[in-house]
Amino acid sequence: GENVEQHPSTLSVQEGDSAVIKCTYSDSASNYFPWYKQELGKRPQLIIDIRSNVGEKKDQRIAVTLNKTAKHFSLHITETQPEDSAVYFCAASIESNFNKFYFGSGTKLNVKP
Amino acid sequence: ETGVTQSPTHLIKTRGQQVTLRCSSQSGHNTVSWYQQALGQGPQFIFQYYREEENGRGNFPPRFSGLQFPNYSSELNVNALELDDSALYLCASSPRLAGADEQFFGPGTRLTVL
Repeated sequence: GENVEQHPSTLSVQEGDSAVIKCTYSDSASNYFPWYKQELGKRPQLIIDIRSNVGEKKDQRIAVTLNKTAKHFSLHITETQPEDSAVYFCAASIESNFNKFYFGSGTKLNVKP
Repeated sequence: ETGVTQSPTHLIKTRGQQVTLRCSSQSGHNTVSWYQQALGQGPQFIFQYYREEENGRGNFPPRFSGLQFPNYSSELNVNALELDDSALYLCASSPRLAGADEQFFGPGTRLTVL
């Protein structure tokens, strides 16, 4: 089955700096890659996603890139703010396959004011 | 906040007991997926229900079972609880099988097995 690895496990940045989180996946059939933000004690919330027919997607300060050949995708957060502090999860799925998501182990992002 | 609700919020059980967790999906959603999130880990897919039928299962033993009702609410049942079953259990609902970007998580049930 699919194996998603995520790095780093913790990331500490200064407010205003950029943060990059990287994930790799193993199943070349995976074609949908969502990113979730989970604040302490709360549910995961979708923040951005990308499908395999595009290489990059942006939404304000957040962007995701996908390299299908290398089987890796990354989350980029620019101009970080303290409220960006949370645990971020990447996931991979085959969109036609029951929406079964394989999640990475998470990155705890700490944005220092 | 999404319209997905779960009950109870927290639960404490002992080894060997059985537990039932409940999920009410968002209005109009006919697909419910269940995930187990151990502390410090990403969610792991348990199974999914679509129109009252199991529609895919992850690597979980048969003592994890589920149901979906005609109103599309769902239950997760775990028999013969083990210590490693302690986790946050999340359900997620979506309007149809496809459209993963429309899958919304509930707040979760924190299960502690002593």
